[in-house]
Amino acid sequence: AQSVTQPDIHITVSEGASLELRCNYSYGATPYLFWYVQSPGQGLQLLLKYFSGDTLVQGIKGFEAEFKRSQSSFNLRKPSVHWSDAAEYFCAVYSSASKIIFGSGTRLSIRP
Amino acid sequence: NAGVTQTPKFRVLKTGQSMTLLCAQDMNHEYMYWYRQDPGMGLRLIHYSVGEGTTAKGEVPDGYNVSRLKKQNFLLGLESAAPSQTSVYFCASSYEGRGTEAFFGQGTRLTVV
Repeated sequence: AQSVTQPDIHITVSEGASLELRCNYSYGATPYLFWYVQSPGQGLQLLLKYFSGDTLVQGIKGFEAEFKRSQSSFNLRKPSVHWSDAAEYFCAVYSSASKIIFGSGTRLSIRP
Repeated sequence: NAGVTQTPKFRVLKTGQSMTLLCAQDMNHEYMYWYRQDPGMGLRLIHYSVGEGTTAKGEVPDGYNVSRLKKQNFLLGLESAAPSQTSVYFCASSYEGRGTEAFFGQGTRLTVV
């Protein structure tokens, strides 16, 4: 069965530092992968998505993610975080049964 | 441009009561989803629909029913609410299933006492 694992429940980084959020997926075929962000009390907003082609994808708000098939990973990165990036981040995969499956999320806190 | 609208935004129910959550989208999307979000568990799919008149079970369908009588609306029903159904519920829609972005509503916070 398809699944998504986000091993880090909570990460704290200093403002201006770089960020990497981990995501591993389990999917037999070429996956359709997403990263969403959820600000407190809000719905989810798409940051970026990977379907095919270039394995490094750019998203909104300065985020990027790299698809690595050999590691079944789709890690999210940002070179320099801002206090406004504090939120919860979800990795997701589109499954073969017309469903989008989400990971359990990583909460990001920013240290001033 | 409303996008995906959920009503109500907050609700408190007593155990055994029933209620319906309404999701409306104005983007002419075929696919619609209902998720519940619980701390540490991410979003879990309750039910989904791939078009008007269709519904299908997700990961956690027990205790919920859905209907998609009109393309733009997707209703989630709780026939007899239980405290375990206390959660934040999100509706989402997408143009089609495979690989297209899902747009989310703002959520409904439901407490069952």
